[in-house]
This record gives sequence, structure tokens and C-alpha cells, in this order.
Amino acid sequence: GESVGLHLPTLSVQEGDNSIINCAYSNSASDYFIWYKQESGKGPQFIIDIRSNMDKRQGQRVTVLLNKTVKHLSLQIAATQPGDSAVYFCADANDYKLSFGAGTTVTVRA
Amino acid sequence: DTAVSQTPKYLVTQMGNDKSIKCEQNLGHDTMYWYKQDSKKFLKIMFSYNNKELIINETVPNRFSPKSPDKAHLNLHINSLELGDSAVYFCASSQGVVGGEKLFFGSGTQLSVL
Repeated sequence: GESVGLHLPTLSVQEGDNSIINCAYSNSASDYFIWYKQESGKGPQFIIDIRSNMDKRQGQRVTVLLNKTVKHLSLQIAATQPGDSAVYFCADANDYKLSFGAGTTVTVRA
Repeated sequence: DTAVSQTPKYLVTQMGNDKSIKCEQNLGHDTMYWYKQDSKKFLKIMFSYNNKELIINETVPNRFSPKSPDKAHLNLHINSLELGDSAVYFCASSQGVVGGEKLFFGSGTQLSVL
């Protein structure tokens, strides 16, 4: 079965606010995690990744937090913009494959 | 220049037909994948190839047959199409075998079986 899952299928955010998307994983052996963004009609695009020897990693307007104790990771998007509207997936790597969670649809309100 | 390109983008066909989806990557990657995305957006791996060698074959009906003529191409042939095969199929590639590698995805092929 799937090793990752997301807490909420949808998230509505006011433009300019910060977004937090959560993900739980079950495989304690997973050592690499990735967040992807999928816009309508397109393939998933890499956002940010993190290895299990880290608990935080920052990119441009995005931050990924990893809590191995409770097997949880989150994606924070600062100052959410209309272009951030998309489906967001977390994925973990083990057994030579990336396993994806179900996705959270983020809608940005103007 | 598209890094991972797949054709066709849309494929509408009748049950029982045989169809192929082609994928090419120009990133010089060693590993390629096929993923299936269902109507609920759930992405599930089907196959992966590393340097033309099959690495992963995830409980996929044998009506699905991947073919990798070289490491830049991974095609997917589907025999005797069924209604349940309707989905979006994504090709992807990575530099090495996944274990710390990000995947680059194509834009998808939306398959509709009538």
C-alpha cells in the first residue's frame, strides 16, 4: 500500500497568506522526501526535497519540515500567490521508487 | 526544449484496441518510469527502467508492456484496452535509480477508453 498520505484533500488560502500542507508517512525506513506541484493539464513539477538527516530545508518561498519522530512532513508556502493554485503531492523514496500521497488541492482566493 | 516529452497528449479509443504511448527524455538520465494517475489524482508507479533494464514492475496486468530501445526512450504498449485503463499516464526520468533522486515528469497522456 501507499506509504505516504496527506491530511487534507483541499486547502483554501487567501492571497498573501502563508499555506501549510501536511503529509504523514508510514515507512520509517524512508530517507528521502519530495514535494511536487501539479498544475491543471501538466505533469508534476519538483518543488523541494529533504533527506532524513535534516529536519528543515528552505527554498524560494517554500520550506519543508520533517519530523521523523511522528513521521510527518509539511510544506510551507510563504505569501501565497494565485500561481500557487495547484495540487501538491508529497512523496517518499524507498525500494528504488517514489511513492506519492493522494494530493492536496490548494486554491488561492483573491 | 522539452526535457521529458510524451506522445500523444490525448488518446481516445475503443475497448479491446491496442495502443502505444511514446516517451523520450533529452536529459541524459539513466532511469525512466511510467506512472498512472487515476481520476482522484492518485499517482502510482507502474514500471521503471535503468539503462534499458527493467527495475520495477508493480503489479501491472501483462496487457501493459514497456519497451526501452535505448536509455532515452521508454514506450508503453497496452493490449486489449479496458474501461479501467482510462487515466492519465506520466512518463518520468531521473539521473540514477531512485533513492535520493528527483524525478522529472512529462506532461502526461490522457487515455480515454470508450
